[in-house]
Amino acid sequence: EVQLVESGGGLVQPGASLKLSCVASGFTFSDYWMSWVRQTPGKTMEWIGDIKYDGSYTNYAPSLKNRFTISRDNAKSTLYLQMSNVRSEDTATYYCTRDYDGTPLAYWGQGTLVTVSS
Amino acid sequence: DIVMTQTPLSLSVAIGQSASISCKSSQSLKYSDGKTYLNWVFQSPGQSPKRLIYQVSKLDSGVPDRFSGTGSETDFTLKISRVEAEDLGVYYCCQGSYSPYTFGAGTKLELK
Repeated sequence: EVQLVESGGGLVQPGASLKLSCVASGFTFSDYWMSWVRQTPGKTMEWIGDIKYDGSYTNYAPSLKNRFTISRDNAKSTLYLQMSNVRSEDTATYYCTRDYDGTPLAYWGQGTLVTVSS
Repeated sequence: DIVMTQTPLSLSVAIGQSASISCKSSQSLKYSDGKTYLNWVFQSPGQSPKRLIYQVSKLDSGVPDRFSGTGSETDFTLKISRVEAEDLGVYYCCQGSYSPYTFGAGTKLELK
C-alpha cells in the first residue's frame, strides 16, 4: 500500500524558514516523480512544484520558485520542501503527492499544517 | 498560467440522483504527446484529497464506475450517476498538461 506521511509543519514567524518532510513507503520511491501541493484555509489548491525520480530536475510554480526548494533523498525514501522567508499567505496544509504512469497527483499524503503568524 | 473554471461551485443532490460538474480551461489541455492531462480530485470533509480520474476519462484504481469523465481540448465534465452519501465533499478539476499545474476552485457536492 502506498503511504506518504508528511511532517515538519507548525507555527512559524514571518520571515523564518521551515523544512517539511514526506516519508514514503509501500513502493520504490526512486522510481517516481513526486510533487508538493498546498491547500489554503479557504480550500484553494495550489501546485508548488515537482521533482524527477532521480532528483536531477525540479520544476516550480513561478510565484514560489524564489523561496521554495524541493529535494529528495532516495536512500531514505524521503521528499523535502524547504521554505524560506515565509509569509502569512503561506499558511496552508502541505501535501506531498506521487505520480502514476506519468500522470501527476495519483497519491496524496495526509498533509501537514503550516501556520505563519507572529 | 492556465485558468481552470468550474461550475457550479455548489451542487445539491439527493441520494440516488445524478450530478454533473463542468470544468473549462483557458487553453487547450492537449499536450504535444497527444494526451490530455485533465484530472478530477475529490476531498471528503476532514480527509486528504484523492484523485478519481486522470487523462480526462481514466478511473483510478478502486473508483466506482458510477463516476465518469468526458471532454476534450478546453471543456470537461465529471458525472456521478446514482450519488451515494460517501460522494459528498468537494471536487476539483486539475490540469497537468502544462506547468504550473493549476486547479479549479472546487465544487461542493451537498445533500439536498
